[in-house]
Amino acid sequence: AAGVIQSPRHLIKEKRETATLKCYPIPRHDTVYWYQQGPGQDPQFLISFYEKMQSDKGSIPDRFSAQQFSDYHSELNMSSLELGDSALYFCASSFRLFNLGEQYFGPGTRLTVT
Amino acid sequence: GDSVTQMEGPVTLSEEAFLTINCTYTATGYPSLFWYVQYPGEGLQLLLKATKADDKGSNKGFEATYRKETTSFHLEKGSVQVSDSAVYFCALSPGGGADGLTFGKGTHLIIQP
Repeated sequence: AAGVIQSPRHLIKEKRETATLKCYPIPRHDTVYWYQQGPGQDPQFLISFYEKMQSDKGSIPDRFSAQQFSDYHSELNMSSLELGDSALYFCASSFRLFNLGEQYFGPGTRLTVT
Repeated sequence: GDSVTQMEGPVTLSEEAFLTINCTYTATGYPSLFWYVQYPGEGLQLLLKATKADDKGSNKGFEATYRKETTSFHLEKGSVQVSDSAVYFCALSPGGGADGLTFGKGTHLIIQP
């Protein structure tokens, strides 16, 4: 079965640079979520989108922004990168109509800020 | 706000031992509960779920029962294998829809042959 696709899988940036992470949800899923997982930490919810509209917001820094496009893929834009932004970034997707909370995660993008 | 508390790890067991990983939650309303598993270098895989009180989720020999009276969702498996070694996360969703998940800190399980 098709899964969530994230690109790139690995990304190395320097401080103060920008980064863009992409997420392609499972076909027919209309909701995407972004999470950040620091080393040895639990995933922290950043933001979610349903039908291209922001739906729920977690602990997303003001330096980050995200959007969902008409084909339901999503991009997380990160500016003025800091060392502390080094983490695994996961995208998840779901189909909202029958969804009671379960989300399907992609393999993640490992961002390293030097 | 919502929170999930699960037992600290690492938990080290011998192959074929019985496994319990405790998970309790705090939430308003009627959340859905989940267990996710993360193998080294990989993403999170949904292991099992329960969406209402007394529901039992099960998958791959793992089970967990949604206990509203004790606000718990403990993960159990009767006989663990080396391949079960991973990090296990308990999580809740407050009401489905597009709500973000709240995760516990994770329990690192190590199974020795």
